[in-house]
Amino acid sequence: DAKTTQPPSMDCAEGRAANLPCNHSTISGNEYVYWYRQIHSQGPQYIIHGLKNNETNEMASLIITEDRKSSTLILPHATLRDTAVYYCIVRVANAGKSTFGDGTTLTVKP
Amino acid sequence: GAGVSQTPSNKVTEKGKYVELRCDPISGHTALYWYRQSLGQGPEFLIYFQGTGAADDSGLPNDRFFAVRPEGSVSTLKIQRTERGDSAVYLCASSASVGGVGELFFGEGSRLTVL
Repeated sequence: DAKTTQPPSMDCAEGRAANLPCNHSTISGNEYVYWYRQIHSQGPQYIIHGLKNNETNEMASLIITEDRKSSTLILPHATLRDTAVYYCIVRVANAGKSTFGDGTTLTVKP
Repeated sequence: GAGVSQTPSNKVTEKGKYVELRCDPISGHTALYWYRQSLGQGPEFLIYFQGTGAADDSGLPNDRFFAVRPEGSVSTLKIQRTERGDSAVYLCASSASVGGVGELFFGEGSRLTVL
């Protein structure tokens, strides 16, 4: 799996958009970008994934650069419940282990 | 069940004892993963099953750790001669290998404390 780099922490004001960056400069052509989050004392939760096109679901949007070397997870209207550690992972779909880094701790403040 | 179930949720044991942690994956999920998470760190991969067989056990730290999945559903992670450094949250995840895109569904974890 390709290595990812994320900032260790970020703050965001409640109601504002949270933009979480991830660098994955060694990503291969068949590797997807996945995002998970982990709220304190719970297991990680899948958020969204993408290959090369931007994606949106009910939780978030994923913007992947044209060269696929970086991506941004966007939470459009952050709430206090979005405070969590966010993990960016790259892997081939359905191909074994996902390698987690230490993620970004997002703190949403009132 | 609706989600991945792990038991026990908490286990306190003494150094040198044997421990078993159980994972019941989402029905129909053929892929099952074990991870270990220490405080302040991301989950660390241990082992991955595809069906009954261990497809990748490269993350098991040493031969005190062993996992089985005899019928391709429930899995047990076994730790022999526990050490204080084994204290962590052990996470299990499952995934649908066919028809899905490989997203992992995690359980709530089993917190192991070795005294």
